[in-house]
Amino acid sequence: KAGVTQTPRYLIKTRGQQVTLSCSPISGHRSVSWYQQTPGQGLQFLFEYFSETQRNKGNFPGRFSGRQFSNSRSEMNVSTLELGDSALYLCASSLGTIGSHEQYFGPGTRLTVT
Amino acid sequence: TQLLEQSPQFLSIQEGENLTVYCNSSSVFSSLQWYRQEPGEGPVLLVTVVTGGEVKKLKRLTFQFGDARKDSSLHITAAQPGDTGLYLCAGARSFQKLVFGTGTRLLVSP
Repeated sequence: KAGVTQTPRYLIKTRGQQVTLSCSPISGHRSVSWYQQTPGQGLQFLFEYFSETQRNKGNFPGRFSGRQFSNSRSEMNVSTLELGDSALYLCASSLGTIGSHEQYFGPGTRLTVT
Repeated sequence: TQLLEQSPQFLSIQEGENLTVYCNSSSVFSSLQWYRQEPGEGPVLLVTVVTGGEVKKLKRLTFQFGDARKDSSLHITAAQPGDTGLYLCAGARSFQKLVFGTGTRLLVSP
C-alpha cells in the first residue's frame, strides 16, 4: 500500500507571497492532519480534516487554511507569507474512526521564506 | 501549554549502551503512540499503547504505558547507530487532536 505523499518536497517563497501544499493520504484513510515543525516550537498541530470537514483546529492565524476533497486528498494554503513561516510542513493520514489514532506521516514539505 | 513533556531532551551515547526516554503528562490519554523521525523525513509510527500498564516490545525497544495512562516510557537495549533520531510521544483522547511531546533527540555513536 502506498504511503502518504506530499508535494512539493521543497519550496522557496518570498515574504508576502502565498503557497499551496498538497497531501495524498493512504488509500482508505479519511482523516488528514497538518503539522508545522520548527526547531524551536517542535511539532505543532495546524488542523485536521475528516470527510471534507475540518474537525479540529490548532492555534494558528487565519492566514493558514486548508481543505479536503472527496477523494480525501488535502491542500494547505498559507497567504501573506512571513519569515517565521519557514518550517517543515507535515501531513499525516489516519482512518479517523473511533480508537484509530495512529497517524502515518508523509515526508513533509520544506518551506523556506526569504 | 505543552501537555506532554519528554525527558531527556538530548541524549548522546555509545553503541551498546541502554537508555530510557520518558513521556509525562498530567492528563489522561486513551492511547499513546511513539514515533521516530530522521532528519528531513516525517515521523514514523513505532507503536501504540492503549491499556494502562501495557508493555510492548519491538526487538530491542520496550514501550510501557503508565497504570494511570498519563505517562509512558521507551527503553532501548544495546543501542545501535541506526537508533539515532528524534523520538516523539503523542497522546490521543477521543476525537481531539493528537498531542505531541517535546521530543528527545538521540545520537548513538559507533
